[in-house]
Amino acid sequence: DAGVTQSPTHLIKTRGQQVTLRCSPKSGHDTVSWYQQALGQGPQFIFQYYEEEERQRGNFPDRFSGHQFPNYSSELNVNALLLGDSALYLCASSLAARGGGETQYFGPGTRLLVL
Amino acid sequence: ILNVEQSPQSLHVQEGDSTNFTCSFPSSNFYALHWYRWETAKSPEALFVMTLNGDEKKKGRISATLNTKEGYSYLYIKGSQPEDSATYLCAFVGGTSYGKLTFGQGTILTVHP
Repeated sequence: DAGVTQSPTHLIKTRGQQVTLRCSPKSGHDTVSWYQQALGQGPQFIFQYYEEEERQRGNFPDRFSGHQFPNYSSELNVNALLLGDSALYLCASSLAARGGGETQYFGPGTRLLVL
Repeated sequence: ILNVEQSPQSLHVQEGDSTNFTCSFPSSNFYALHWYRWETAKSPEALFVMTLNGDEKKKGRISATLNTKEGYSYLYIKGSQPEDSATYLCAFVGGTSYGKLTFGQGTILTVHP
């Protein structure tokens, strides 16, 4: 079992550009959540996808959007990048049926630097 | 806005010391509390998911307790080893949040040989 994988590992973009980050969940998992971790802070919830729909969203602007594919993999898109979007983006997968008491398994993250 | 606080922010201990840190969370609308260990350049690793008041969980030298009525959880490490050096994160799940994790800022533990 490969666990949760994310690509790319690192990315450098300039302000105003758009970026797409990818996540493949752990085998058998149907729910993907995305988190942003800025330096010195705990990860912050961006949104969660289940059955190809955004099920819940954190306090992030519409510039942050996502998608879930039929194979449960997911993408995070960020438009009109700002310097403040520089962060580590983490993906976590879980089983929806067991809700909030289910362990979420994290990938290694994508480090985004916006210049 | 949910407030999840962890203390201390960082901790330096000697190999063999036992240590503990605290996670404080809202005592209302509780569903679960998660603990993670996050080593540099690795993925956060799940330690425990705790759901019931009075829960105690143990994994090797690491254990955790939960008090949902007063809104806190303790993580204990017995006989710390250098490989325990990591950031320890707790995350609160509210009753209506489909598993949305609200994280504390973490406790950075450094164990000196």
